[in-house]
Amino acid sequence: GQQLNQSPQSMFIQEGEDVSMNCTSSSIFNTWLWYKQDPGEGPVLLIALYKAGELTSNGRLTAQFGITRKDSFLNISASIPSDVGIYFCAGQIQGAQKLVFGQGTRLTINP
Amino acid sequence: DVKVTQSSRYLVKRTGEKVFLECVQDMDHENMFWYRQDPGLGLRLIYFSYDVKMKEKGDIPEGYSVSREKKERFSLILESASTNQTSMYLCASRPRTGGGYGYTFGSGTRLTVV
Repeated sequence: GQQLNQSPQSMFIQEGEDVSMNCTSSSIFNTWLWYKQDPGEGPVLLIALYKAGELTSNGRLTAQFGITRKDSFLNISASIPSDVGIYFCAGQIQGAQKLVFGQGTRLTINP
Repeated sequence: DVKVTQSSRYLVKRTGEKVFLECVQDMDHENMFWYRQDPGLGLRLIYFSYDVKMKEKGDIPEGYSVSREKKERFSLILESASTNQTSMYLCASRPRTGGGYGYTFGSGTRLTVV
């Protein structure tokens, strides 16, 4: 099945550092979404992007919908211990009822 | 607070057993989905349903079936559980239109087949 290419697969950083991850695809998407999954829980929606070039923030998180509509990135500034988890990107093609997910980025933070 | 509820957080079943994973949502969503999550493989779609009694295969339907008799409930069935079906199973729902296009996920069921 179709998947997004999400990178990096894992990150090990120090508390306070900034984080950047991205997703790319060969397909054009109309919507990009970023989810976070805490250990032992289901993913929770962080940010949704609906227009090419859109830049949206949610606290220390910033995400952008790429101009080509084939990519998106997520930045986390000044990481804190509760940022630990798995981050997933997801995209929706026009008219589709289901989302396509990336493989996830596992974030580990050393205090 | 809107919810997707999965009936069990942890399950241990024996090889060959028939296993039912239940998911209920209280948001009147038309679409419901079952995913499995394995390390390094991300979320893989097993089945989804866009209406009562309607179902479509996802990317990895083999060994699974589903049932959607009521709008709020979507069941995943492992006809004869095998050890390679040991995984985290996630249920999700979303409205057919609107709702920001995002899924609402349940907390997951971690299934171990021994």
